[in-house]
Amino acid sequence: KQEVTQIPAALSVPEGENLVLNCSFTDSAIYNLQWFRQDPGKGLTSLLLIQSSQREQTSGRLNASLDKSSGRSTLYIAASQPGDSATYLCAVKGSRLTFGEGTQLTVNP
Amino acid sequence: DAEITQSPRHKITETGRQVTLACHQTWNHNNMFWYRQDLGHGLRLIHYSYGVQDTNKGEVSDGYSVSRSNTEDLPLTLESAASSQTSVYFCASSQAATSQETQYFGPGTRLLVL
Repeated sequence: KQEVTQIPAALSVPEGENLVLNCSFTDSAIYNLQWFRQDPGKGLTSLLLIQSSQREQTSGRLNASLDKSSGRSTLYIAASQPGDSATYLCAVKGSRLTFGEGTQLTVNP
Repeated sequence: DAEITQSPRHKITETGRQVTLACHQTWNHNNMFWYRQDLGHGLRLIHYSYGVQDTNKGEVSDGYSVSRSNTEDLPLTLESAASSQTSVYFCASSQAATSQETQYFGPGTRLLVL
């Protein structure tokens, strides 16, 4: 059974800092890995999708990497802003989408 | 713009009552999913559908049912609500089960079973 773990569970940083969120998964037989953002009381919004054959994807200040063999992914956020405050969820796609519990990020002005 | 909507957004019900949560998408997606989100468990798959008349059980399907009579809607029914079903429920849809599949999520329904 696929298990997805995200570390840390919560993170508080000052504005402008570069930061890294971590995701690990137990079964490397995946089609893709996605990073989602969830704002309080809202649904999930897909940020980046990395196919299993890819190593990384970039969108603006976000960069996600995937090391399938070691079961790890990182989400790098450059020059963080208060608007980045949200919960970030990692999900891996095997026979179904399996989610981690998320990292709650707070960026302080 | 295409979207996915859920109703109601908040619901309070009593133990033993039947409850139906609605999900409607205008993406014209074939695939639709229901998840529940709980502290300590993350999002867990309840039921999913790959097309009209197709339904499948997910990880935590006991006590829930779905039916797919058209492309746009996948209502979730709690046959006899239990306190353990207090949760936030999310509906999602996607176009195809490929390596590039991205699921689009609704805003969620917060359900409290007393």
